[in-house]
Amino acid sequence: GQQLNQSPQSMFIQEGEDVSMNCTSSSIFNTWLWYKQDPGEGPVLLIALYKAGELTSNGRLTAQFGITRKDSFLNISASIPSDVGIYFCAGRGTGRRALTFGSGTRLQVQP
Amino acid sequence: DAGVIQSPRHEVTEMGQEVTLRCKPISGHNSLFWYRQTMMRGLELLIYFNNNVPIDDSGMPEDRFSAKMPNASFSTLKIQPSEPRDSAVYFCASSFRPFLGQTQSNQPQHFGDGTRLSIL
Repeated sequence: GQQLNQSPQSMFIQEGEDVSMNCTSSSIFNTWLWYKQDPGEGPVLLIALYKAGELTSNGRLTAQFGITRKDSFLNISASIPSDVGIYFCAGRGTGRRALTFGSGTRLQVQP
Repeated sequence: DAGVIQSPRHEVTEMGQEVTLRCKPISGHNSLFWYRQTMMRGLELLIYFNNNVPIDDSGMPEDRFSAKMPNASFSTLKIQPSEPRDSAVYFCASSFRPFLGQTQSNQPQHFGDGTRLSIL
């Protein structure tokens, strides 16, 4: 089956620092999504990517769909305390409807 | 706009009891997904429906789990009998998948806030 490796598992940074996390898959994906989950809530979509090489921004967040279609990264610039949470990548392979989720990156921001 | 609505938010019950989780997808969405989230296994897809029809239930753990979608605005996930290892947060998500011939693209899934289930 499809597998996603998400790294790092956790990060502890100072407010104002930039953050980068990534996901790699064992097979080709045609959709990459990045979600953020706060405690006690469901995942909330941050960025959706649909084309290889696509680079998309959402405020301080930037994500890219890798050229090989087997990886994606998410960058957060100038982190703030409210960026704290768990970030999940998710991908959908060719001919599939369901998403495969990464194991998440737990981000902590020190004010 | 109302998002995906799940109920109850929390449920605590004794093992052996029947548990029913409910989900109302976003109006206009035609795909509905049930996920389970645990610390050990992360987010796992249990089953998903397209146009009220179950498409893939290969993620359903065993026969104690069943899901229904009697209409486009309601779905249930039932566990009978429940066991302590079923304790988890169960999420429902919905999205829009265009019909053949439509020009819209697939839309991302939107999640509800989940049901935290504890089986004692």
